[in-house]
Amino acid sequence: DQQVKQNSPSLSVQEGRISILNCDYTNSMFDYFLWYKKYPAEGPTFLISISSIKDKNEDGRFTVFLNKSAKHLSLHIVPSQPGDSAVYFCAASEGGATNKLIFGTGTLLAVQP
Amino acid sequence: KAGVTQTPRYLIKTRGQQVTLSCSPISGHRSVSWYQQTPGQGLQFLFEYFSETQRNKGNFPGRFSGRQFSNSRSEMNVSTLELGDSALYLCASIPGTGGSGEQFFGPGTRLTVL
Repeated sequence: DQQVKQNSPSLSVQEGRISILNCDYTNSMFDYFLWYKKYPAEGPTFLISISSIKDKNEDGRFTVFLNKSAKHLSLHIVPSQPGDSAVYFCAASEGGATNKLIFGTGTLLAVQP
Repeated sequence: KAGVTQTPRYLIKTRGQQVTLSCSPISGHRSVSWYQQTPGQGLQFLFEYFSETQRNKGNFPGRFSGRQFSNSRSEMNVSTLELGDSALYLCASIPGTGGSGEQFFGPGTRLTVL
C-alpha cells in the first residue's frame, strides 16, 4: 500500500527553466511534508518542508505547494541548475509523537546544460 | 557541528550471518530513526528511538532489531542475513520529539549479502 506516490520516475529539464516534481498521498492523517534530494551512495539531504496548515512554502529557488483537497504536493525549482540533477523524494509524516517518514519512490531529475 | 556518522560505510556478509550497524546522531539530538533503501522498495522505515526507547517500528521481520544508548548513539542488528537484506541502511538524526521537523540523514551503510 503506497501511501506516498511519485508517478514520474524521471524528469529532464533545460538549465534555467522550471522543474516541477509532483507527489500524491492517500493518508489524510499526514500533516507534515518534506522534500529530500539524494545522490547515489549518499544519505538524503533535506530541501524544504511544509505543514498541512499552509499551502505554500518558499526557500530561495525552491517552492513547495500543497493542495490538501487533492492530496497533492509539488516542488518547483526555479531556475534549474545542472547541480540540481539528483533523485528527489517527497516524504510525509503524521506528526504527533512519531518521527516516522513515509517516502515516495523518487523522481530522477536531470538538468541539461 | 558534526553531522550524522554511520559505521561501517560498507559491509559484505554471507547468508546466515548477523550484522551490527552503528549511528551517532548530531550532538544534542535525542531521536534516531533507521531506514532501509533498496531499488525495489525504495526508502522504508525500520524503527525509531527516543531516549533509549523504541517508539515506532516498521513492517520488518523480527530479525531486524535496534537499540539506543544513553548518549543517543544507536545500533541496529540484522540476524540470519538473507540475500534480500542487501541494501543501503540510513540513519536519521532528529532534534525534536514530534513529527514536524527536519531529519538529518547520515551517509548510510551499504550492506551486501552474498
